[in-house]
Order: sequence, then structure tokens, then C-alpha cells
Amino acid sequence: SQTIHQWPATLVQPVGSPLSLECTVEGTSNPNLYWYRQAAGRGLQLLFYSVGIGQISSEVPQNLSASRPQDRQFILSSKKLLLSDSGFYLCAWSVTRNQPQHFGDGTRLSIL
Amino acid sequence: GQNIDQPTEMTATEGAIVQINCTYQTSGFNGLFWYQQHAGEAPTFLSYNVLDGLEEKGRFSSFLSRSKGYSYLLLKELQMKDSASYLCAVIAGSARQLTFGSGTQLTVLP
Repeated sequence: SQTIHQWPATLVQPVGSPLSLECTVEGTSNPNLYWYRQAAGRGLQLLFYSVGIGQISSEVPQNLSASRPQDRQFILSSKKLLLSDSGFYLCAWSVTRNQPQHFGDGTRLSIL
Repeated sequence: GQNIDQPTEMTATEGAIVQINCTYQTSGFNGLFWYQQHAGEAPTFLSYNVLDGLEEKGRFSSFLSRSKGYSYLLLKELQMKDSASYLCAVIAGSARQLTFGSGTQLTVLP
């Protein structure tokens, strides 16, 4: 069966510091991969999605970036975090873009 | 763009039935999903509707009417553990982008 791993579970970072969140999927090949952010009490906002290695689509302009160095690895990065980057970051995968997305456990990011 | 509306909060009693409605306006509809999200946790997939009608999965059922831009999630025999936020999400357009509603916070009372 397929599993998705996301780490770390929680992270506290100072403003202006870099960020790297990692997500890996097991048990499937060539998944569609997604990064979402959920602000407290709000809905999920799609940040990036990828249909293959090196293919990244950005949905919202921001100081975040994403990379897919391997088929089942998706990384969310920032060179300098802002206070507004605080939130719950979720990685998800699906077989195709029309199929249900399945989420990792999420990373709760607090910026101080 | 897409617009998804669902009630912010609902309350129901243990053992009862509750219906959570979702309306959407979109072009190029490709499907509708329901997710459950407990506080502090990631969403988990509940159901998927692409054609009109009712999909049943145990205590949970989901209905879709594409002509009306309307769906509902029906939860039967409510349990305390069903207290959670229920997210309606629509996939649409040539880019097949999934857009989530803000969620309905369901509280189940004893």
C-alpha cells in the first residue's frame, strides 16, 4: 500500500531563516505531488504541485519554492522566512490529478 | 475561479443523522471530494463524486447534483469521534485544480 511521510512534525524558526520541508511517498510510481498551507481556522491553499521530476507549478506568488529531485520526493523551501509564513503545511499525493489526494501528517511551522 | 460555500458550523446529537451541504460555482467540473479533518491533524479522504447521485460508504454517504452545483455529505448514527471539520473540495478546469471550501466544523454532543 502507499504511504506518505512528511517531516518534521513541528518547527519553530526565526524570521529571516531558511526553510526546508521534505515529503516522500512510498508504494507508487510517478505520483502527482502537492504542497498546501492551512492558516489557523482557514481552508487549504494550494502552493505548488508537480506531475513529474523537475516539473513544478506554482499557484501563489510568494517567497517559497518547491523542488522534486526524485520521483517520490517533494521539497518545500524558503531562503528567508516571513512572519506570514506561519501555518500548517501539508504534502499530498494522488495517482492522477482527477483522483483523490492523500495527505501526510503535516508540519506545524511557527515563525518568531 | 471557483467558489465553494458550506456552513461554518453545525451541531448534532450522538446517534442522530446530519447533512452537511456544499454549493459550488465552477467551470469545467471534474469531480467533488469530501474530507474529514480532526483538530490539529491532516485531512483524510472520505468520498468522491463525479456523476450525479448518491455514493454510500458505511455510515457516510455523499450526493452530487452537477446541474445544481450542489453536494451533501450525510453522516448517520453519529458518534462522538465524528466531531471534526468536513471539507468540500472541487476539481475543475483544464488544469484540474482542486479547490477546498473553508470547511464545516461539526460538533457531536452526547
